[in-house]
Amino acid sequence: GQQVMQIPQYQHVQEGEDFTTYCNSSTTLSNIQWYKQRPGGHPVFLIQLVKSGEVKKQKRLTFQFGEAKKNSSLHITATQTTDVGTYFCAGAGGTSYGKLTFGQGTILTVHP
Amino acid sequence: EAGVAQSPRYKIIEKRQSVAFWCNPISGHATLYWYQQILGQGPKLLIQFQNNGVVDDSQLPKDRFSAERLKGVDSTLKIQPAKLEDSAVYLCASSQQGLNNSPLHFGNGTRLTVT
Repeated sequence: GQQVMQIPQYQHVQEGEDFTTYCNSSTTLSNIQWYKQRPGGHPVFLIQLVKSGEVKKQKRLTFQFGEAKKNSSLHITATQTTDVGTYFCAGAGGTSYGKLTFGQGTILTVHP
Repeated sequence: EAGVAQSPRYKIIEKRQSVAFWCNPISGHATLYWYQQILGQGPKLLIQFQNNGVVDDSQLPKDRFSAERLKGVDSTLKIQPAKLEDSAVYLCASSQQGLNNSPLHFGNGTRLTVT
């Protein structure tokens, strides 16, 4: 079945440093979504990428979808303590009701 | 807009006991999902409903887990009998259409501990 892998598993940064997490799928995706889960909270939707090579920005966050639609990345510029949490990518398969498969997440800690 | 409601927030049971979780999705959302999130892992889809029909239950351990969504609104997830490895957070989510372009809205989850 479809597998979605994320690296790194953990990332510790000093406030102000940049952060990147990478997501790779074993199969071609129809779209990929990114979620953020704060400690003790539930996943919250951040963004969806659909097109090959798509790049989207949300303030300090930049999301990319690979040309082959099998990988994606999330880059945070100048991290802040409010960025702390686990970032998940979730890939959807090709069918209209394709199952959304989550990666294992990258846990980000930011030291002030 | 009211979010996805789940209850209870916490549940502690002994192995071999049964337990049920309840979910009320966002009003008007046709698709409802139950995910299992084990500590340190990403959410794993257990079952997906489109209205009151099952779209995907390929990862639901059907010998012990069951779920229903009567009238296409609320849903319940049941485990009977529970095993130690069922200890996890059970997340309910809903989306507008269940198509690939719909973001998921998660509830706060039910944290289950099986002793």
